[in-house]
Amino acid sequence: DTGVSQNPRHKITKRGQNVTFRCDPISEHNRLYWYRQTLGQGPEFLTYFQNEAQLEKSRLLSDRFSAERPKGSFSTLEIQRTEQGDSAMYLCASSIGGKMEAFFGQGTRLTVV
Amino acid sequence: AQTVTQSQPEMSVQEAETVTLSCTYDTSESNYYLFWYKQPPSRQMILVIRQEAYKQQNATENRFSVNFQKAAKSFSLKISDSQLGDTAMYFCASGAFSGSARQLTFGSGTQLTVLP
Repeated sequence: DTGVSQNPRHKITKRGQNVTFRCDPISEHNRLYWYRQTLGQGPEFLTYFQNEAQLEKSRLLSDRFSAERPKGSFSTLEIQRTEQGDSAMYLCASSIGGKMEAFFGQGTRLTVV
Repeated sequence: AQTVTQSQPEMSVQEAETVTLSCTYDTSESNYYLFWYKQPPSRQMILVIRQEAYKQQNATENRFSVNFQKAAKSFSLKISDSQLGDTAMYFCASGAFSGSARQLTFGSGTQLTVLP
């Protein structure tokens, strides 16, 4: 299957720990997005890559958050010193240049205890 | 800046009936796109239908169609012949190719339940 893949699917961590999520986009898609979704809400934009360049970051992305996309392939999202408010579903999506619609992965559900 | 508003948190419909989900939006972009995504319980977001703002004709995809009213900034989704598998959270979203609008902006969603 060539859909967007995210790992892990679930992550439980203690407050203060660091966590890292991975996203593998659809292979020919040069754009990659990270969103955060809390229960009962729509996804909120976090950051956007075009190839390996991080072109936009939301104000939601505090200094504890960092994202990378080395070589324009997979991407990682790291959260340092996690807080309970970071508990959410983290969604990755990808799209191809010239097309606006994004294809989403199944998400990583983070629970900070 | 873009905003998307879905004023119906929950809706239900009988199987085989028709239901319409509402969405209003606001954008400063002249060339933008509108989408409806479906998110079944514990499953990934799936694109249902898309509409380019420059097209006057309403998009249709099988049982799904939209009513795009550009002047009113309204973008509703009609589901005909509802099926149990249509039960999901539905999100309206907007996006454009310029500036900060390159990402999608989502509404808060409408939980649709199809009743047998």
